[in-house]
Amino acid sequence: DGGITQSPKYLFRKEGQNVTLSCEQNLNHDAMYWYRQDPGQGLRLIYYSQIVNDFQKGDIAEGYSVSREKKESFPLTVTSAQKNPTAFYLCASSIIETGAKPQHFGDGTRLSIL
Amino acid sequence: DAKTTQPTSMDCAEGRAANLPCNHSTISGNEYVYWYRQIHSQGPQYIIHGLKNNETNEMASLIITEDRKSSTLILPHATLRDTAVYYCIVVPGGGADGLTFGKGTHLIIQP
Repeated sequence: DGGITQSPKYLFRKEGQNVTLSCEQNLNHDAMYWYRQDPGQGLRLIYYSQIVNDFQKGDIAEGYSVSREKKESFPLTVTSAQKNPTAFYLCASSIIETGAKPQHFGDGTRLSIL
Repeated sequence: DAKTTQPTSMDCAEGRAANLPCNHSTISGNEYVYWYRQIHSQGPQYIIHGLKNNETNEMASLIITEDRKSSTLILPHATLRDTAVYYCIVVPGGGADGLTFGKGTHLIIQP
């Protein structure tokens, strides 16, 4: 079935360590997104990409980095510069066209600091 | 993007219709109203969207007022599995920018 796969489901990071969260989609969508969700809060946009080898910062990009080398993959690296990385991270994708374009979400990665 | 206002929480009896309101008084002419829901510890799930006309699909109905300043999501026969946080969002019709999610409405279906 088509969809978005995020891995791992749970991830633990030591202080000062970079970690990379995986996001893969087989929906042939051009656009991909990363969001962060803190307990009891809505989603906040970290980065998004509309085409391979191009991406834009969202509202809270500091301390994060991304790459888009393939259309189906959009990994997120949480760097040591992100001082409060504990959160639920969600990846999404969508088509790009004029008009309505719902985003499809993965089931998330929960990151915790040891 | 226009902001939305939703009640923090709502209860509904199982088998009854759940009506979730959303205010979006600053919506622009080219902005769509979208509804997503999020079950605990899962990713948000798209439910329905609309521009001006009322819409219905297999999950829900969306009623948009004539002035487009508010809308109501209707789950016709709520089940326990419909317990979730429901997000109302307004989204421009062009481009592929990210979404802005507020805190949504926590809908609790009571047995």
